[in-house]
Amino acid sequence: KAGVTQTPRYLIKTRGQQVTLSCSPISGHRSVSWYQQTPGQGLQFLFEYFSETQRNKGNFPGRFSGRQFSNSRSEMNVSTLELGDSALYLCASSPGGSGQETQYFGPGTRLLVL
Amino acid sequence: QKEVEQNSGPLSVPEGAIASLNCTYSDRGSQSFFWYRQYSGKSPELIMSIYSNGDKEDGRFTAQLNKASQYVSLLIRDSQPSDSATYLCAVNGHAAGAGNMLTFGGGTRLMVKP
Repeated sequence: KAGVTQTPRYLIKTRGQQVTLSCSPISGHRSVSWYQQTPGQGLQFLFEYFSETQRNKGNFPGRFSGRQFSNSRSEMNVSTLELGDSALYLCASSPGGSGQETQYFGPGTRLLVL
Repeated sequence: QKEVEQNSGPLSVPEGAIASLNCTYSDRGSQSFFWYRQYSGKSPELIMSIYSNGDKEDGRFTAQLNKASQYVSLLIRDSQPSDSATYLCAVNGHAAGAGNMLTFGGGTRLMVKP
């Protein structure tokens, strides 16, 4: 089975711009979660989508949003980028049934905001 | 605020020794626990998952869970230089069916010296 894929892998934006990141989960997985990783804050949960609905949300401002499509692919959007949004954005998928399964991570998208 | 604490290290062990990594968590209702390994510049990869009190062994790895003490550990036997990485402890505090929302510790950097 192919793993979780994320596009693009690297991105450079300037402050004030917006960005959309994409994630394709492992085939058959219905839950997609997004995480932000920075040297200072570590790995932090952004949100989880299951069956096209946001099931859980972390403590991030409304500039961070996401959605999930009927094929379980997910996108996250960050509007009005700030320097502090520079991070590795990780997507993780799991089968999604019980919500207690192992999450498998994609390679991440490294975002640099200038 | 749910917290997961790890010693940041670095933990240095000689090749062939046992490496012991520890993690404590604050949410007594946490249900599932995971250890991920992350090489520099890469995304986290699953090492072990554990759900019940006691030990769980998989090859050179043993995870130990003590819910009464809110403590999770990972033992790596016969440590190899290729085990040198950051080890992340992650906890899902949600009840079964409530979805995925992992809280990560800051990670312990392990260095295995030949």
